[in-house]
Amino acid sequence: DIVMTQSPDSLAVSLGERATINCKSSQTVLYSSNNKNYLAWYQQKPGQPPKLLIYWASTRESGVPDRFSGSGSGTDFTLTISSLQAEDVAVYYCQQYYTTPQTFGQGTRLEIK
Amino acid sequence: QVQLQESGPGLVKPSETLSLTCTVSGYSLTSGYYWGWIRQPPGKGLEWIGSIYHSGTTYYNPSLKSRVTISVDTSKNQFSLKVRSVTAADTAVYYCARGEDYPNWFAPWGQGTLVTVSS
Repeated sequence: DIVMTQSPDSLAVSLGERATINCKSSQTVLYSSNNKNYLAWYQQKPGQPPKLLIYWASTRESGVPDRFSGSGSGTDFTLTISSLQAEDVAVYYCQQYYTTPQTFGQGTRLEIK
Repeated sequence: QVQLQESGPGLVKPSETLSLTCTVSGYSLTSGYYWGWIRQPPGKGLEWIGSIYHSGTTYYNPSLKSRVTISVDTSKNQFSLKVRSVTAADTAVYYCARGEDYPNWFAPWGQGTLVTVSS
């Protein structure tokens, strides 16, 4: 199985500041034939299901605010929130869908400082 | 707008079978997409259980494959999950979700249902 490791486990950022969450895969999730990274990001608020934010490592899902962006390639990826809003408090997960079984990172808890 | 809703018993005894159904509205299962089950133990991360196509083709997480069956009922626009021989380790919130392909990201997700394994 591909192991997804996120860092940090938790993060406190001031309102309006940048938040950065990292995700590292134990092997590449870049498919060379189409040059796509098979990596998604989700946001999960308390008592709610995960919500898709980003797929193909950097494509924002429809309706997701543009302060959310994804970057990286191969084995190292980053989710960036450019200007933290109060409603962004949540746990964030990365997921690889390069191969089966699809696997998720352990999650990063984002709080307001 | 597609919506998914999980249903089933919230309490299952150890060694018995956990059975859940996901009802899909706003989209016909026969139109395509893959339909999956993911679980989340209390306070923990996400684990993909398995996925099914409307044709009945299934894909399972090898870690659970020996105990899991996913099936589809296109006449009711539902798909179902069975987990046999459950233990306390199977206690989790179980989500159903749609995948555009297999393997793939999941969107949208159902609200989830908590299943507790306890005598």
